[in-house]
Amino acid sequence: NAGVTQTPKFQVLKTGQSMTLQCAQDMNHNSMYWYRQDPGMGLRLIYYSASEGTTDKGEVPNGYNVSRLNKREFSLRLESAAPSQTSVYFCASSHLAGGRETQYFGPGTRLLVL
Amino acid sequence: AQSVTQPDIHITVSEGASLELRCNYSYGATPYLFWYVQSPGQGLQLLLKYFSGDTLVQGIKGFEAEFKRSQSSFNLRKPSVHWSDAAEYFCAVGPQNNAGNMLTFGGGTRLMVKP
Repeated sequence: NAGVTQTPKFQVLKTGQSMTLQCAQDMNHNSMYWYRQDPGMGLRLIYYSASEGTTDKGEVPNGYNVSRLNKREFSLRLESAAPSQTSVYFCASSHLAGGRETQYFGPGTRLLVL
Repeated sequence: AQSVTQPDIHITVSEGASLELRCNYSYGATPYLFWYVQSPGQGLQLLLKYFSGDTLVQGIKGFEAEFKRSQSSFNLRKPSVHWSDAAEYFCAVGPQNNAGNMLTFGGGTRLMVKP
């Protein structure tokens, strides 16, 4: 049981390049999330998917797109990377049980945009 | 809108000393509250959570937190800190409702432990 996995671990991009961050979970969770972490700002939600087939914007969605490929996988795409997107990106998943939900996080992807 | 404040950006304690990390939240209803820990270069690990019931919550690694509704606080404590506790700690709040729970995180407190 690997939990939440993310690829790649590190990536360097040039401004304007595109890339997709991959996330997968093996806990049969319904909900999945993408956050970015910047110094002093904690984690901010980019997009989330409450269930397979649905996605919704979070606090900072501009410049990103997501795909909930199936129940296990939730990808984050940067179509035209900008230096402001230099950050650490975390994927999380959760399952609602009895009206209560706890999020479990992957190890993160460190992205540098030059 | 909900918000979380962790007033201390950095805290340094001596190994063996007690620890209290502060967390204050703003939320219109009874929230779900969480503490996560992040070791350098790692993801976030759940330390403990409060949903309802007993306001003193026990977590992993000897941590506990107390929910005080009147003070809108959820402070994290540990009676005796170990060098391995050096990490960044995040408090988070979420709504008590449906799936797609949007957690709001504080800015984090970085803990350093002196030998």
